[in-house]
Amino acid sequence: EPEVTQTPSHQVTQMGQEVILRCVPISNHLYFYWYRQILGQKVEFLVSFYNNEISEKSEIFDDQFSVERPDGSNFTLKIRSTKLEDSAMYFCASSRGLAGPQETQYFGPGTRLLVL
Amino acid sequence: GEDVEQSLFLSVREGDSSVINCTYTDSSSTYLYWYKQEPGAGLQLLTYIFSNMDMKQDQRLTVLLNKKDKHLSLRIADTQTGDSAIYFCAASGAGSYQLTFGKGTKLSVIP
Repeated sequence: EPEVTQTPSHQVTQMGQEVILRCVPISNHLYFYWYRQILGQKVEFLVSFYNNEISEKSEIFDDQFSVERPDGSNFTLKIRSTKLEDSAMYFCASSRGLAGPQETQYFGPGTRLLVL
Repeated sequence: GEDVEQSLFLSVREGDSSVINCTYTDSSSTYLYWYKQEPGAGLQLLTYIFSNMDMKQDQRLTVLLNKKDKHLSLRIADTQTGDSAIYFCAASGAGSYQLTFGKGTKLSVIP
């Protein structure tokens, strides 16, 4: 069964450094998403992406965040200058994009980011 | 905005039924989802229900939706030790791509 994959599974970085989290969505899916879960808190929506542009973003997704689809398979989340409070589990998700926003989203296993 | 709440812990004996409850605030939520997260793994979609339905059954899983009270429940029949995990309720609003999640309910199954 096709699945969303994410790399790396764990990332440790120093405050102020840039990180890039990578995702490979399910191959025939058209909508891509990033969510994050700070330890002990809810899973929070960051951004959705369709047709090479952001379709929706939350207040969390400020100027230090960016997303890109650099090729036909990868979807990345870049954090330009990491802060301690960026430490979280980051989940990528994708959906087929045929039936609109209410389509089922399939999630990857997550990347645990620790900022020191 | 939408807010989704769940109780944090549930403990049941193997073979019993589990009922995990969730409330949401946005009456325009059109789809409601249950995801399962096992240790070290991602969010696995278990089932979903459309807001014009009251009930959906899928093998051992039964989802009940009370739209008036904005209450959703997930019943797992004949709970097994392999069902031990965190269960997340999530809602999507009309025209929005973002899912709003609850904090998750940790289900512990006692052999």
